[in-house]
Amino acid sequence: DIVMTQSPDSLAVSLGERATINCKSSQSVLYSPYNKHCLAWYQQKPGQPPKLLIYWASTRESGVPDRFSGSGSGTDFTLTISSLQAEDVAVYYCQQYYSTPFTFGPGTKVDIK
Amino acid sequence: EVQLVQSGAEVKKPGESLRISCKASGYSFSSHWIAWVRQMPGKGLEWMGIIYPGDSDTRYIPSFQGHVTISADESTSTAYLQWSSLKASDTAVYYCARHGVLGMMTLGPFDFWGQGTMVTVSS
Repeated sequence: DIVMTQSPDSLAVSLGERATINCKSSQSVLYSPYNKHCLAWYQQKPGQPPKLLIYWASTRESGVPDRFSGSGSGTDFTLTISSLQAEDVAVYYCQQYYSTPFTFGPGTKVDIK
Repeated sequence: EVQLVQSGAEVKKPGESLRISCKASGYSFSSHWIAWVRQMPGKGLEWMGIIYPGDSDTRYIPSFQGHVTISADESTSTAYLQWSSLKASDTAVYYCARHGVLGMMTLGPFDFWGQGTMVTVSS
């Protein structure tokens, strides 16, 4: 199984400031036919199901604000919230969809400082 | 509009059986893999297994195989997750989620989720 790790476990950022979350996969998740990485990011607010933010490591899902961006390659990926808003308080998970089981990272909790 | 609507919360005793459901609408149910994802209290997300309703191809991760059964009914566009003998450790929120299709890739990320079903197993 591909193991996904995330750092930090939690972070507190001032409103309007940048938040950066890191995700690492234990092996490559590069889908060769498309030369894209099978890496997704989800946001989960309390009492709600997760919501897809980013797929192919850097493609924003329709309707997701452009303050959310994804980057990375190989086995190292990053989710950046460029200007944190109050409504961004949530737990963020990365997930690989390269091979089953489609494993998630342990999550990073983002709060307001 | 794509929707996945799950059945309501359940409270059961150890050893009892249970089936929870996930009714899909707004898309071709037969054409997308559906997954079940477990979230234990205060914990992260665990992919349990998947089903392709078009041909009932089903896959489980080893830790869930033999303990749960995933099924689907095309006639009602409903997927199911069932247990024959619940344990206290099955206490969790269970989500169904649709795998998106990205070109040739039929097992893409989860683009739609159900609202979750809380299952509490306690004597």
